[in-house]
Amino acid sequence: SAVISQKPSRDICQRGTSLTIQCQVDSQVTMMFWYRQQPGQSLTLIATANQGSEATYESGFVIDKFPISRPNLTFSTLTVSNMSPEDSSIYLCSVDLGQQETQYFGPGTRLLVL
Amino acid sequence: GDSVTQMEGPVTLSEEAFLTINCTYTATGYPSLFWYVQYPGEGLQLLLKATKADDKGSNKGFEATYRKETTSFHLEKGSVQVSDSAVYFCALSYGNNRLAFGKGNQVVVIP
Repeated sequence: SAVISQKPSRDICQRGTSLTIQCQVDSQVTMMFWYRQQPGQSLTLIATANQGSEATYESGFVIDKFPISRPNLTFSTLTVSNMSPEDSSIYLCSVDLGQQETQYFGPGTRLLVL
Repeated sequence: GDSVTQMEGPVTLSEEAFLTINCTYTATGYPSLFWYVQYPGEGLQLLLKATKADDKGSNKGFEATYRKETTSFHLEKGSVQVSDSAVYFCALSYGNNRLAFGKGNQVVVIP
């Protein structure tokens, strides 16, 4: 497995502002992913964070709203831009260690937008 | 696209009861299948997985069998404990190691 940390663990933000969430892994990994878990809902994949190239976004998610960086094999950031109350969610990063498609998840960042 | 469907609603049962959570999937190929669990106040953890038809994943007394003929991956446990109270998510892998999750089932075990 892997040890994955996220910062911040939670935040309360004002409408119209942006928040950058960090994800740090204790080993080098090829694949990192960002998910959103809206209140009482399941996890939805936002994008795959690719090292050295632009992230690959899922349908319904765009780079202008959720810019992602992946500067190396142990770190990624997700920014939630121009936030609205609908962005209130838990944001999780995950990594794939190459073990038969198994992903390991970070503890999540709980975001509340007022 | 590929997707997972879990039975609706929370599940409430008494300690030592038998637990079944239904999961069916739709996929163009033969995905790997997973059950993840989210205990209160904790992060998402892998519970078990199966990578091909007829495989049985098992962990902590939980089992699930990959049934290609019924496109199902139902989760079962013979005797639940209060500590099994959690939210359980069924998931499948699709294209480039991405995961699609079901809606999740809240399981509450009453002493």
